[in-house]
Amino acid sequence: NAGVTQTPKFQVLKTGQSMTLQCAQDMNHEYMSWYRQDPGMGLRLIHYSVGAGITDQGEVPNGYNVSRSTTEDFPLRLLSAAPSQTSVYFCASSSFPADTQYFGPGTRLTVL
Amino acid sequence: GNSVTQMEGPVTLSEEAFLTINCTYTATGYPSLFWYVQYPGEGLQLLLKATKADDKGSNKGFEATYRKETTSFHLEKGSVQVSDSAVYFCALGLSNFGNEKLTFGTGTRLTIIP
Repeated sequence: NAGVTQTPKFQVLKTGQSMTLQCAQDMNHEYMSWYRQDPGMGLRLIHYSVGAGITDQGEVPNGYNVSRSTTEDFPLRLLSAAPSQTSVYFCASSSFPADTQYFGPGTRLTVL
Repeated sequence: GNSVTQMEGPVTLSEEAFLTINCTYTATGYPSLFWYVQYPGEGLQLLLKATKADDKGSNKGFEATYRKETTSFHLEKGSVQVSDSAVYFCALGLSNFGNEKLTFGTGTRLTIIP
């Protein structure tokens, strides 16, 4: 079991560029989520999905899109990167939303 | 709404000292409570959890007891080691329909000095 994998580990973007952060899990979990972690802010939920074809907004969704075409994959798209999106992004999965979540290793994103 | 308040850091202790990191919560309903740990450069991983009042979660020498009467889930360890240096997050999860997400505290950075 690889668990939750994320790519890339590091990324530098220029303002206005777009990119997709990849997340995959091999535990057959229905629930997947994206968080961002900023100093002193803890983790904030961006988007989540309770199953293939179903997504919803979290606490800080603006500037991000998601889709869930398969159980395994949950990519996060930055439409037009802004310096305020400089952060560490974590993907997580679990059997159901309030259960133990398994986190990926994170993607450190810098927007110049 | 649901919220988690945990002890502000950073916390610095000497090796073999006793550790307490306070966590209190506000929730409508009966949440599950979690402690996650994040080692430098890594993602979060579950340290322990408790799913109902008076349950005690334990792992790697850490313990926390779900106290409904004080809405608390304080993390304790009797003798910390340098390898315990990390950021610790308290979290709650509710399985009520329409409110099914984990809510995290802001994290407490712990540094253990030899």
